[in-house]
Amino acid sequence: KQEVTQIPAALSVPEGENLVLNCSFTDSAIYNLQWFRQDPGKGLTSLLLIQSSQREQTSGRLNASLDKSSGRSTLYIAASQPGDSATYLCAVTGGFKTIFGAGTRLFVKA
Amino acid sequence: DVKVTQSSRYLVKRTGEKVFLECVQDMDHENMFWYRQDPGLGLRLIYFSYDVKMKEKGDIPEGYSVSREKKERFSLILESASTNQTSMYLCASSLRTADTTQYFGPGTRLLVL
Repeated sequence: KQEVTQIPAALSVPEGENLVLNCSFTDSAIYNLQWFRQDPGKGLTSLLLIQSSQREQTSGRLNASLDKSSGRSTLYIAASQPGDSATYLCAVTGGFKTIFGAGTRLFVKA
Repeated sequence: DVKVTQSSRYLVKRTGEKVFLECVQDMDHENMFWYRQDPGLGLRLIYFSYDVKMKEKGDIPEGYSVSREKKERFSLILESASTNQTSMYLCASSLRTADTTQYFGPGTRLLVL
């Protein structure tokens, strides 16, 4: 059974810092891995999707990597801003099911 | 732009009531999903649908049913609401299941008294 773990559960950084969020999964038979952002009380916004055949994806200040063999993904945020404060979730899809991690709550201090 | 809408942002119902949550997507997506999100438990899949009138159970289908009569609309039904169904309900859609992004609606926060 697929399990997705995100570390750390919470993170507080000063504005401008580069940071890394971690995601690990137990079953490497996945189709893709997605990173989402969720603001309090809101739905999820897709940030990046990495297909199982890819190693990384980039969008603006965000870079996500995928290492299927080790069951790990990282989300790198460059030059963090207060507007980046949110919960970040990773999710892996295999077959019909998508399994979500519990998320990392990020707070960027101005 | 991709758009998934949910019928209500907030809903308060009484125990035993029948509750309908509606989700509409305007992207001609094949797949639609219903999740619930609870503190400490994360997002859990209730049901999904890969075509009109087709549905599959997710991880926690008990106490719920779904309906997909039209491609753009996916309804979640709580047959007899209970207090343990108080939660945030999130709808999502994707073009195909295996390799495409899921797009989420804004969520419905349901309180069952």
